[in-house]
Amino acid sequence: KQEVTQIPAALSVPEGENLVLNCSFTDSAIYNLQWFRQDPGKGLTSLLLIQSSQREQTSGRLNASLDKSSGRSTLYIAASQPGDSATYLCAPANDYKLSFGAGTTVTVRA
Amino acid sequence: DAGVTQSPTHLIKTRGQQVTLRCSPISGHKSVSWYQQVLGQGPQFIFQYYEKEERGRGNFPDRFSARQFPNYSSELNVNALLLGDSALYLCASSLLENIQYFGAGTRLSVL
Repeated sequence: KQEVTQIPAALSVPEGENLVLNCSFTDSAIYNLQWFRQDPGKGLTSLLLIQSSQREQTSGRLNASLDKSSGRSTLYIAASQPGDSATYLCAPANDYKLSFGAGTTVTVRA
Repeated sequence: DAGVTQSPTHLIKTRGQQVTLRCSPISGHKSVSWYQQVLGQGPQFIFQYYEKEERGRGNFPDRFSARQFPNYSSELNVNALLLGDSALYLCASSLLENIQYFGAGTRLSVL
């Protein structure tokens, strides 16, 4: 069974600071990994998808890395803004399903 | 283009009742998955359907069932509701093993 851990559970930073969100997973037999953003009471918004053969994926201020063999992924958000405040979830995909941790709740202070 | 749509948005039921949640995938997507998200936790996988066949089932009791229709829309049914079934139910569609796109969810409250 895939177990996903995200550290830290919560993070509060001043506007402009770079964010580093960590994700670890126990089963490395994944075919991709997605990072999502979730605003309170809302659905999930896909931010990035990294295929298992990739080491890195970038979209605007977001950059995600993947080390499949060690079961780790990191999401970097550059120059954070108050609008980045949300819960961020990583989800490795294997056996046709996504597995989620509890997420990292980010607060960016203006 | 329309994203994944779920209905209803909110639902209030009492213990022992039955509920049906609906999901319409993005046009062209043949795979639909269902997840349950209890407050404060990450989503938990319930079912995946592809081409109207069940491809996978998570660790949920038989009270949970689903089906997919010829137009690839899907329904999730939960019988004999318990208080612990109160959650946000999320539907996702994808081109099989590719990016999964989620709907806004259905908030179910069981009293």
